[in-house]
Amino acid sequence: SQQGEEDPQALSIQEGENATMNCSYKTSINNLQWYRQNSGRGLVHLILIRSNEREKHSGRLRVTLDTSKKSSSLLITASRAADTASYFCATDGTGGSQGNLIFGKGTKLSVKP
Amino acid sequence: NAGVMQNPRHLVRRRGQEARLRCSPMKGHSHVYWYRQLPEEGLKFMVYLQKENIIDESGMPKERFSAEFPKEGPSILRIQQVVRGDSAAYFCASSPPHSRTEAFFGQGTRLTVV
Repeated sequence: SQQGEEDPQALSIQEGENATMNCSYKTSINNLQWYRQNSGRGLVHLILIRSNEREKHSGRLRVTLDTSKKSSSLLITASRAADTASYFCATDGTGGSQGNLIFGKGTKLSVKP
Repeated sequence: NAGVMQNPRHLVRRRGQEARLRCSPMKGHSHVYWYRQLPEEGLKFMVYLQKENIIDESGMPKERFSAEFPKEGPSILRIQQVVRGDSAAYFCASSPPHSRTEAFFGQGTRLTVV
């Protein structure tokens, strides 16, 4: 089964609106990361949040982590058409082997101009 | 400082042929990971290598797939006798020795088996 599960699977919003994506995971983690993938391209690292952190900001991105609920959220404020992409969360898993990441299936975000 | 370089970007192979995918990690990075992504899916871990060593191959199919990261040169993911189900995007990531957590991904190789 998936370690990380994002929801919703797909999200369509208008430019200027905020987009919120959620991720749930099953095992203990050291950290959780969010990546963006444009269609047919590689992954771009957005932000890393450690298990002892609750919130982190980077530009228009805000990530929260609730280890008691084993969940994280990614908020993109004032979205732009260029934010259209798939967004993945990835966890390492403290019980996992040394460094490989476990990805969810992603949220496909569409921002309409 | 170039990022993680993968080549080729696109590879077409007939069933039964061999596919060789190359990955040059970022300068100074000694850890390499290979992932596979099926259409509309997330990335699935395949193998983790350090120079001349396979550390974890728990995600790699037991047959037809192999990986290496030699002392000199890029990491190679090799798929023998490809089948249609091997069609996917294969991504390589690398991380520095002091921070295995922080992985940088290449643009991927899109393998199509016809």
